[in-house]
Amino acid sequence: QKEVEQDPGPLSVPEGAIVSLNCTYSNSAFQYFMWYRQYSRKGPELLMYTYSSGNKEDGRFTAQVDKSSKYISLFIRDSQPSDSATYLCASGATMNTGFQKLVFGTGTRLLVSP
Amino acid sequence: DSGVTQTPKHLITATGQRVTLRCSPRSGDLSVYWYQQSLDQGLQFLIQYYNGEERAKGNILERFSAQQFPDLHSELNLSSLELGDSALYFCASGPRDSTITDTQYFGPGTRLTVL
Repeated sequence: QKEVEQDPGPLSVPEGAIVSLNCTYSNSAFQYFMWYRQYSRKGPELLMYTYSSGNKEDGRFTAQVDKSSKYISLFIRDSQPSDSATYLCASGATMNTGFQKLVFGTGTRLLVSP
Repeated sequence: DSGVTQTPKHLITATGQRVTLRCSPRSGDLSVYWYQQSLDQGLQFLIQYYNGEERAKGNILERFSAQQFPDLHSELNLSSLELGDSALYFCASGPRDSTITDTQYFGPGTRLTVL
């Protein structure tokens, strides 16, 4: 079982829809949770990160973490065709040794049609 | 364009060989991160350097090593290459003593193919 699981999609939605992207993780030691967006043939870009359970909002994006159920979500409001990309979730922890354990999901491909 | 440059864009080599990937961070950035992205493993964090010193280590194999030079460019050395090392290798840079949760600016990547 992978430590971070993510549905690969693709997820197709019409412009203006609310998008929900989800991940689950299995390692209770994970301390921080991140969402990246990756356009085709480009490097990933960090969208949001959070250390705690609850919601974090940034413009049209809301990241939600539920540590009790080990569930991570990213919501995109009023989705735009420019949001079409692959979204990667990641969970991580800093170990006592200084080793940075950071595990990425495989990514969900989102397609927003005009 | 993120301002991070990586060379070469593509690299084709044979099993058992050694290659060096090069990264120049954005002007003013002191941190450099290396990642590997493959179809079966997804994106993996390898290592971070800050101002010439190793700052954080991720899932980096012993056959791989990296360094950051006084001019802040970084090199990732991959040796005894195996077929499974074929992947896209990204370099990212970050300002000051950034941590892995800080914004990083990714380069365009180097596509390595091991035959």
